[in-house]
Amino acid sequence: AQSVTQLDSQVPVFEEAPVELRCNYSSSVSVYLFWYVQYPNQGLQLLLKYLSGSTLVKGINGFEAEFNKSQTSFHLRKPSVHISDTAEYFCAAPNAGNMLTFGGGTRLMVKP
Amino acid sequence: DAGVTQSPTHLIKTRGQQVTLRCSPKSGHDTVSWYQQALGQGPQFIFQYYEEEERQRGNFPDRFSGHQFPNYSSELNVNALLLGDSALYLCASSSLPGTGGSGYTFGSGTRLTVV
Repeated sequence: AQSVTQLDSQVPVFEEAPVELRCNYSSSVSVYLFWYVQYPNQGLQLLLKYLSGSTLVKGINGFEAEFNKSQTSFHLRKPSVHISDTAEYFCAAPNAGNMLTFGGGTRLMVKP
Repeated sequence: DAGVTQSPTHLIKTRGQQVTLRCSPKSGHDTVSWYQQALGQGPQFIFQYYEEEERQRGNFPDRFSGHQFPNYSSELNVNALLLGDSALYLCASSSLPGTGGSGYTFGSGTRLTVV
């Protein structure tokens, strides 16, 4: 069954610095992969998704992610973060039953 | 175009009580999935409804049940509430089941607190 692991529970970073949030998946079949963002007291908003094609996926708010099949990773990056990027970020993928399964989340804390 | 609407936004219940949460899917969507998100954790899949039937179910006890209406809206019912049921309950709609999460739209959730 597909599983998703987010390697960092918290990532502190200064404003305007680059950031990488790490995600690894386990699957021997073709994969769909997603990154969602959750702002305080809100639901989930899709940042970007990989379904097929180019391994570099661009999303909203300046985020991008790279699908790496050999490393089974789908890390999320942003070259320069803003205070407003402070939120919880979730990596997700469909499981064997094609239901979305989520990682444990990474809390991005952007400091001034 | 309205997105996914969930009600109520917050709810406080006592142990042993029953609760009903509601979800209206995004216009054009006919499939509703429910997720439970405990504090500090990722969402966990509860079940999915399509054509008024439970299509798939996650690892949740029978105390959790649901329903989908002809207008595609859905309810999540939890009986005999436990303190551990305290969580944010998220509803996600999509235009087809089995899309592997592609095309999901999430609501803002219902925060359930059991005391």
